[in-house]
Amino acid sequence: DSGVTQTPKHLITATGQRVTLRCSPRSGDLSVYWYQQSLDQGLQFLIQYYNGEERAKGNILERFSAQQFPDLHSELNLSSLELGDSALYFCASSVQTSGSIDTQYFGPGTRLTVL
Amino acid sequence: AQSVTQLGSHVSVSEGALVLLRCNYSSSVPPYLFWYVQYPNQGLQLLLKYTTGATLVKGINGFEAEFKKSETSFHLTKPSAHMSDAAEHFCAVSERGYSTLTFGKGTMLLVSP
Repeated sequence: DSGVTQTPKHLITATGQRVTLRCSPRSGDLSVYWYQQSLDQGLQFLIQYYNGEERAKGNILERFSAQQFPDLHSELNLSSLELGDSALYFCASSVQTSGSIDTQYFGPGTRLTVL
Repeated sequence: AQSVTQLGSHVSVSEGALVLLRCNYSSSVPPYLFWYVQYPNQGLQLLLKYTTGATLVKGINGFEAEFKKSETSFHLTKPSAHMSDAAEHFCAVSERGYSTLTFGKGTMLLVSP
């Protein structure tokens, strides 16, 4: 158990819909990262937040957005869903924003299926 | 831009045999290097990482990896495979000064009795 929790575990929805994925980082971790894992694209970094502020952006679509709240939990919002958005979405957390020597601890993921 | 290449989407070994999973990176400056393991229906777990110092890095579960700058490689090895090692293994890099990870496509390690 990494200490990172993600809800829900599974999500099934239809094209065009909007969903919210939730992540609670490990106690004491200020940075949260979101990754998408799909069969064709592999594991891709989406976005990073540190103590409530966006710090880095990767291959995140404009239809996707995220935020980190004062209690440090984070939400990833996916809208106008397409079939191709079906994937496993991971959240990871680490202690601080800079210094890539910090280990990222991954949650168990949310499996999103778009029908 | 950085990239990571893992040679072989699947590697099969017998229990007790040597494990070798290959990883090459492309970066203008030597990055930080990581190996993660993903068991079925679970998140990723860090096996080991290289930041600075000794180029041979030891990790959990008996795995180790060697950073070879001249070959831009960071291959993962284990002297004797165990059935519990069967899982997807990912090599990842991060640019020095940044914390986001770029992952390879992954190598599924299959261990037969």
